[in-house]
Amino acid sequence: DQQVKQNSPSLSVQEGRISILNCDYTNSMFDYFLWYKKYPAEGPTFLISISSIKDKNEDGRFTVFLNKSAKHLSLHIVPSQPGDSAVYFCAASVLTGGGNKLTFGTGTQLKVEL
Amino acid sequence: DTEVTQTPKHLVMGMTNKKSLKCEQHMGHRAMYWYKQKAKKPPELMFVYSYEKLSINESVPSRFSPECPNSSLLNLHLHALQPEDSALYLCASGPALALYNEQFFGPGTRLTVL
Repeated sequence: DQQVKQNSPSLSVQEGRISILNCDYTNSMFDYFLWYKKYPAEGPTFLISISSIKDKNEDGRFTVFLNKSAKHLSLHIVPSQPGDSAVYFCAASVLTGGGNKLTFGTGTQLKVEL
Repeated sequence: DTEVTQTPKHLVMGMTNKKSLKCEQHMGHRAMYWYKQKAKKPPELMFVYSYEKLSINESVPSRFSPECPNSSLLNLHLHALQPEDSALYLCASGPALALYNEQFFGPGTRLTVL
């Protein structure tokens, strides 16, 4: 049961253009959403997050949008740079009695071409 | 110091061996996590420690035994593993029991079970 899905396994974008990565979730209990970037043989690096009470959060070139009614979030990267080429995971968090549980999406491989 | 470190970087072990993975953080976080990531899959939560106590075990087989000696250290003891346990093992830390919780990951230990 994949509660967090990224339906595009890969995305190719030209340098300087906008990259849009999408993520859908099914569990309405999720209350915090995060995006991570991962290079091969490294751990995920935190990029940006958004709480369920907001619909947009911006940090430099990165903007995350949340549509709670559609259970959909997206990450916009503009302008895209070659160093942005990596696998991007969206993740959803729920606070339980035992602590925070993070569920990751399946990942999207972004390639930014010159 | 804003890093999460993990040792060793690589580990090869036989099915009868006993080994340990180590994780250290100096970010003042009171929650620490173990994740397992298989190739081309998202990280999957294994264990959560909150305030040095095991608070979540995601039905992980007993051949994996976590330990949290203090608020900065997290170990994962391995015994009688199977070849299918070969994966990247990621440690993370973050605020404990916080509604808005970013988790910060170490670089991982690449485990191969022969």
